[in-house]
Amino acid sequence: NAGVTQTPKFQVLKTGQSMTLQCAQDMNHNSMYWYRQDPGMGLRLIYYSASEGTTDKGEVPNGYNVSRLNKREFSLRLESAAPSQTSVYFCASGRELNQPQHFGDGTRLSIL
Amino acid sequence: QKEVEQDPGPLSVPEGAIVSLNCTYSNSAFQYFMWYRQYSRKGPELLMYTYSSGNKEDGRFTAQVDKSSKYISLFIRDSQPSDSATYLCAMRYGQNFVFGPGTRLSVLP
Repeated sequence: NAGVTQTPKFQVLKTGQSMTLQCAQDMNHNSMYWYRQDPGMGLRLIYYSASEGTTDKGEVPNGYNVSRLNKREFSLRLESAAPSQTSVYFCASGRELNQPQHFGDGTRLSIL
Repeated sequence: QKEVEQDPGPLSVPEGAIVSLNCTYSNSAFQYFMWYRQYSRKGPELLMYTYSSGNKEDGRFTAQVDKSSKYISLFIRDSQPSDSATYLCAMRYGQNFVFGPGTRLSVLP
């Protein structure tokens, strides 16, 4: 029972490069989320998807795009990476939007 | 003022101690409260989920909510070295979740 799986676990990029972070869940959850976690700031919501076919902006969406590929998969894309996007990125899923979320183990992204 | 505040710690206690972790919040619209545990280099793991004011117990963990004071607590009894982690509080109103920055706990053998 894998839960929420994120790939890759680590990545180093140069400024201006693009990258897609992958997330898949096997819990048949409807809602999925992307967060970033920075020291002292808690988890901040980037984008979320209430259900397959829908996506919405969260608190810090600038510089990111998402795709809800199907019910299981929700990807996060950085089109032109910037050093300010150096962070740990977490994907999460929940049964519905108002239910507690279950998290993956994160992608540690450094942008030089 | 941040919506959810949490002492970042680190908090160090001896094995067997009772641990008290706390969060305060400013938005009275928050109705649901959660505690997550996050081990180093891992994702947050849901520990407790509660709605009403009062206490909820699960094994060695007790979550306490005081909506009138906008204050929530997590108590850990008989703390173990395996409890060493960062503890995040989280709150929800409607479809909006807000997470605290976390308190780092070390339980020393």
